[in-house]
Amino acid sequence: EPEVTQTPSHQVTQMGQEVILRCVPISNHLYFYWYRQILGQKVEFLVSFYNNEISEKSEIFDDQFSVERPDGSNFTLKIRSTKLEDSAMYFCASRGTGEFYEQYFGPGTRLTVT
Amino acid sequence: QKEVEQNSGPLSVPEGAIASLNCTYSDRGSQSFFWYRQYSGKSPELIMFIYSNGDKEDGRFTAQLNKASQYVSLLIRDSQPSDSATYLCAVEAGNNRKLIWGLGTSLAVNP
Repeated sequence: EPEVTQTPSHQVTQMGQEVILRCVPISNHLYFYWYRQILGQKVEFLVSFYNNEISEKSEIFDDQFSVERPDGSNFTLKIRSTKLEDSAMYFCASRGTGEFYEQYFGPGTRLTVT
Repeated sequence: QKEVEQNSGPLSVPEGAIASLNCTYSDRGSQSFFWYRQYSGKSPELIMFIYSNGDKEDGRFTAQLNKASQYVSLLIRDSQPSDSATYLCAVEAGNNRKLIWGLGTSLAVNP
């Protein structure tokens, strides 16, 4: 069964460093999303991506964040200068086209900023 | 601000019982509703989705939707210890179908 994959599973970085989180969505999906979940809190929407551009972003997704689809398979989230409060689980999701299609989630990347 | 609310629990049921999980949402225009299961430290795993008022059954799981009351529920019949997890309610919002999430209800099924 097709699945969304994410790398790395765990990333430890120092405050101020740049990190890139990688995702490989399900191959025939066209809508991609990033969410994050701070420990003990709700899952929060960060950004949606369609047709090679950002279709919507949340208030959290400020200038420190960017997304890219550098090739036909990968979908990346970059945080330019990490802060302590960026420590969270980051989930990538993808969905197919059509009226009723659910989002499938990758296993997540745990980002720890020290 | 679109909100999704769940009772955080914990909800504790004996093995074999019915577990009932509830969710309310604020956006009356919402059309699609999802239940995900999340084990500690893992990603959300889709259990069921529902779009129409009424009940939808899938094995031991039944989702119920009442759009007039802005209420979604999940029933788990014959609960098993392996069902112990946090159950997340998510509601689709906007043209880009982002998901707005509840905090989740922690379910413990006791052998």
